[in-house]
Amino acid sequence: QVQLQESGPGLVKPSETLSLTCTVSGGSISSYYWSWIRQPAGKGLEWIGSIYTSGGTNYNPSLKSRVTMSVDTSKNQFSLKLSSVTAADTAVFYCVGSGSDMGRFDYWGQGTLVTV
Amino acid sequence: EIVLTQSPGTLSLSPGERATLSCRASQSVTSTYLAWYQQKPGQAPRLLIYGASSRATGIPDRFSGSGSGTDFTLTISRLEPEDFAVYFCQQYGSSLLTFGGGTKVEIK
Repeated sequence: QVQLQESGPGLVKPSETLSLTCTVSGGSISSYYWSWIRQPAGKGLEWIGSIYTSGGTNYNPSLKSRVTMSVDTSKNQFSLKLSSVTAADTAVFYCVGSGSDMGRFDYWGQGTLVTV
Repeated sequence: EIVLTQSPGTLSLSPGERATLSCRASQSVTSTYLAWYQQKPGQAPRLLIYGASSRATGIPDRFSGSGSGTDFTLTISRLEPEDFAVYFCQQYGSSLLTFGGGTKVEIK
């Protein structure tokens, strides 16, 4: 069973860059597609973007100018960077994995709260 | 962008009752690429239904999904105490993945 665990600072200052890493266990990172999703407190879910182990990416246009995702297959990890953060970026961030259907979210990390 | 509108916002029901949740898309969802997720307080969402009507691994058969095009439904045939939660629909038929705003199923 694939398991995901987010890690990174829980507090980021305005205008700085938010950086999170997701460690994948129980499966090869090369076998799936990987995404980041965020959820402000008491609100809905927002897809941030997805990355494929080939290196291809697909970002939400509303965040595209500030988002960078990468994969490190040697460490079974993938990462998110979100630049120029403001208080509006405060949310629980989830790393997520997709199997056969790349946009369907089969596996979720527990989530990590990032406060700006 | 495909906008998903879920209704009702809140559904107040008793255990054992049937729950019917609606998800309407602003344009047709390609190939029924529509999923449903359940989220309990303090937890990550969990995939329930994909492809509009296929149950994910380990999901009880009291959960069922239906629909196509722009109108989709999640039905819980008989509510169990653990089913009271928030439910989100999500489309993955376009390159911009979007979620509905959620329906909260609460105990009446």
